[in-house]
Amino acid sequence: QVQLQQSGPGLVKPSQTLSLTCGISGDSVSSNSAAWNWIRQSPSRGLEWLGRTYYRSKWYNDYGVSVKSRITINPDTSKNQFSLQLNSVTPEDTAVYYCARSTGAGNIGYFHYWGQGALVTVS
Amino acid sequence: EIVLTQSPGTLSLSPGERATLSCRASQSVSSYLAWYQQKPGQAPRLLIYGTSSRATGIPDRFSGSGSGTDFTLTISRLEPEDFAVYYCQQSDSSHFGPGTKVHIK
Repeated sequence: QVQLQQSGPGLVKPSQTLSLTCGISGDSVSSNSAAWNWIRQSPSRGLEWLGRTYYRSKWYNDYGVSVKSRITINPDTSKNQFSLQLNSVTPEDTAVYYCARSTGAGNIGYFHYWGQGALVTVS
Repeated sequence: EIVLTQSPGTLSLSPGERATLSCRASQSVSSYLAWYQQKPGQAPRLLIYGTSSRATGIPDRFSGSGSGTDFTLTISRLEPEDFAVYYCQQSDSSHFGPGTKVHIK
């Protein structure tokens, strides 16, 4: 059973960097069949995929268009976790942030497992 | 960019009734479509993927159908725990629909 445990601050000041971590149990961040994603949810933007990291003989990252210039997702194989950094945040980045594991058909796949979610407020 | 629209926005039904939720894509997504259920304060839960495959542990009262641009999630007989918000997602670029809220009539 895969479990994802999120951690990180719930309050970030405007123009600073939002940082969250997602710990993985029951799978490996280096899995050759899964990808590790960040998704956020807000009343104004709904559910929005932010990006992912995955390993297929080497590491890859993909990022959503709306955040591409500000986002970094990194794996940490020593701790079996992955992280999100979102730079230059504004109040519009206030949302519940989720990490999720994806597999399956299509370029991005389906999100079978989710973290518990973390409300991050930019203020 | 593929846009997903869901209808209706809100569905008022009683336990035991049948729920039919629609998801329409602005262009074909083949069969690369999923449905999620979300309850207040919880993460979304995958119900259906690949248009019609039920995820692990999902009861058979949930079923999905469709192809191309038009997809349907059917809940054959609503149980009290099924009242929630339902989202569709297309797995190629991972856009989500805006959701349909199913609430108790």
